[in-house]
Amino acid sequence: DGGITQSPKYLFRKEGQNVTLSCEQNLNHDAMYWYRQDPGQGLRLIYYSQIVNDFQKGDIAEGYSVSREKKESFPLTVTSAQKNPTAFYLCASSISSGRALGGKNIQYFGAGTRLSVL
Amino acid sequence: QKEVEQNSGPLSVPEGAIASLNCTYSDRGSQSFFWYRQYSGKSPELIMFIYSNGDKEDGRFTAQLNKASQYVSLLIRDSQPSDSATYLCAVRSPSGGYNKLIFGAGTRLAVHP
Repeated sequence: DGGITQSPKYLFRKEGQNVTLSCEQNLNHDAMYWYRQDPGQGLRLIYYSQIVNDFQKGDIAEGYSVSREKKESFPLTVTSAQKNPTAFYLCASSISSGRALGGKNIQYFGAGTRLSVL
Repeated sequence: QKEVEQNSGPLSVPEGAIASLNCTYSDRGSQSFFWYRQYSGKSPELIMFIYSNGDKEDGRFTAQLNKASQYVSLLIRDSQPSDSATYLCAVRSPSGGYNKLIFGAGTRLAVHP
């Protein structure tokens, strides 16, 4: 069953703690993305990766870190430097991330991880 | 000015009616446009994408794109209570050369029996 798996579904962070959100895909997609969604707001891009061992900052990267050691995996770490981490975190992937129009650039989403602060 | 703007709603329509959801964008160079549906507490799922001016139909859904006026809309015919959700408009920005999507805040649709 192909798809994007995010875990855990719910996560609680203590003050000063780093936490890591998992994102795994078996769609053989090259590009992966992390978004943050706050209530009543659209999705904001945190980081993205176009290929293995390469990733770029999005619009709100401060306080977050990522790695892309395998094509299938793109974990996100929410560090203690992120002072307002409570949000819904969404991982997405697409076949490619180039300029071509059409289906190759469609982003598909995992089920999300809801992070709260204790 | 926000890059992608949507009316937050709620847009309330009776069952069987046509729901019309609108989205405007600021970057005239935008190339591809996506509509996602998001149920409460769930992740977005793709409804349609469009990149040519005009209409694109898929079942009960029709996406309309007018690049000159910089708006894209989604029509839902024969609306059902199961269509009640937040609809996110996403616009692909040409900046940076990668597949960056700019999302609107979404329009909440409520279809009542």
